[in-house]
Amino acid sequence: AQSVSQHNHHVILSEAASLELGCNYSYGGTVNLFWYVQYPGQHLQLLLKYFSGDPLVKGIKGFEAEFIKSKFSFNLRKPSVQWSDTAEYFCAALNTGGFKTIFGAGTRLFVKA
Amino acid sequence: EAGVTQFPSHSVIEKGQTVTLRCDPISGHDNLYWYRRVMGKEIKFLLHFVKESKQDESGMPNNRFLAERTGGTYSTLKVQPAELEDSGVYFCASSQVTGSKGETQYFGPGTRLLVL
Repeated sequence: AQSVSQHNHHVILSEAASLELGCNYSYGGTVNLFWYVQYPGQHLQLLLKYFSGDPLVKGIKGFEAEFIKSKFSFNLRKPSVQWSDTAEYFCAALNTGGFKTIFGAGTRLFVKA
Repeated sequence: EAGVTQFPSHSVIEKGQTVTLRCDPISGHDNLYWYRRVMGKEIKFLLHFVKESKQDESGMPNNRFLAERTGGTYSTLKVQPAELEDSGVYFCASSQVTGSKGETQYFGPGTRLLVL
C-alpha cells in the first residue's frame, strides 16, 4: 500500500540548531515528493517539492530536502533554525500523473528562543 | 491572485445535525480536492473533482458524506447526519491540469468541525 511515514511526531530545538526531519515513502512507480508547512493559525503552504532532476531540492526560508531513491527517503533539512520556524511539517507523496496526495502524520517542531 | 478559500472557518454542531462546508478553488483550477485530518492523525484524501466530475471518491468515509461541484467552480461537502467521529479539520485544495508532470496542490485554510 502507498504510504508516507515521518519519523518524529515532535521535535524541540533551540534557535541556531540544525534540523533534519525524516520522511520515508512506500510507492510504486515514479513519485513526486513534497514538504508542506503549517504555521500556527495559517494555511498549509508548500515548502518545497521534488519532481525530477537534481535530488537536492531547495525551498523557501532556507529549507532543503534530498531525495534518495535507494532509501525511499526525502528528509527535510535546515542548517540553523529560527524561532519563527515553529510549525507543523508534513511530508507528502504523489504518483507522477496522479492526483491523490498521501501525507505523513506530520511533525510538530518547536523552536525555543 | 486569491488563494483557495473555505467557509466556514469552524463549525460546532450536535450529533445528528447536518453541516455543509464550502470550498472556492483558485480561479482557473479544474482540479479540486477534499482532505480531512482527524485529531492527531495524518491528512487523508477524501475525493477529487475534475471540473464538475468526481474523478476519485475512494476516500469518502461513508454515505453520510456528499460532495458536489455543480458548474465546476466551488464545491460543497455535506455531512448528514454528523457523528462524533466526523470531527476534524477539512481541507480543500486545487490545482491546474498539468498533464503527465506532477502538480502542486494549493490548500485552503481548512474548516474545523466539532461534533458534540
